[in-house]
Amino acid sequence: EDQVTQSPEALRLQEGESSSLNCSYTVSGLRGLFWYRQDPGKGPEFLFTLYSAGEEKEKERLKATLTKKESFLHITAPKPEDSATYLCAVQAALTLIQGAQKLVFGQGTRLTINP
Amino acid sequence: DAGVIQSPRHEVTEMGQEVTLRCKPISGHNSLFWYRQTMMRGLELLIYFNNNVPIDDSGMPEDRFSAKMPNASFSTLKIQPSEPRDSAVYFCASSWSSGGEETQYFGPGTRLLVL
Repeated sequence: EDQVTQSPEALRLQEGESSSLNCSYTVSGLRGLFWYRQDPGKGPEFLFTLYSAGEEKEKERLKATLTKKESFLHITAPKPEDSATYLCAVQAALTLIQGAQKLVFGQGTRLTINP
Repeated sequence: DAGVIQSPRHEVTEMGQEVTLRCKPISGHNSLFWYRQTMMRGLELLIYFNNNVPIDDSGMPEDRFSAKMPNASFSTLKIQPSEPRDSAVYFCASSWSSGGEETQYFGPGTRLLVL
């Protein structure tokens, strides 16, 4: 069964204090690993997709990396507006049944950046 | 771009009543997903459609839940009869599935409270 575990559950940082969020996964053939940001009362907002080990993607103060067993979301010099819950999800490789492939989500990391 | 549209945004109902949640996917997308989010269980996939056809409904909790997609621009999730344990935020997401990148874009959610 595909599984995603995120750590820590919650993280509180001071503005400018860099850190990393972890996403460990087990999946029967990884098709893609997705990072989303979710603000309170809103739907998840897409950030990145990673497809193969060694791949990295960046967006402003965020950088996502991928290995064969885990992904990291690095946050450099965060600001209070980076406070949100960050969700990781995996998409398994295509099966014989054509059609959309479902995502399996982790529980998320709730990040708080204090000014 | 209007994004995924969900209605209502909030619903309060009494146990035993029928609840219907509605979703309009992003124009041109051919896959639609219904998720439920709770503090205890996180984000769970209930059912997904590809080209208006249900592909996987294994996440639907029980027979009280049903979903339809009569055309490419509209889907409903119905709970009948509703129970207090159905209280959660329900998200609809859509994507373009072509065998390549399949990023899911989420709506703002419907917050359901069953008394």
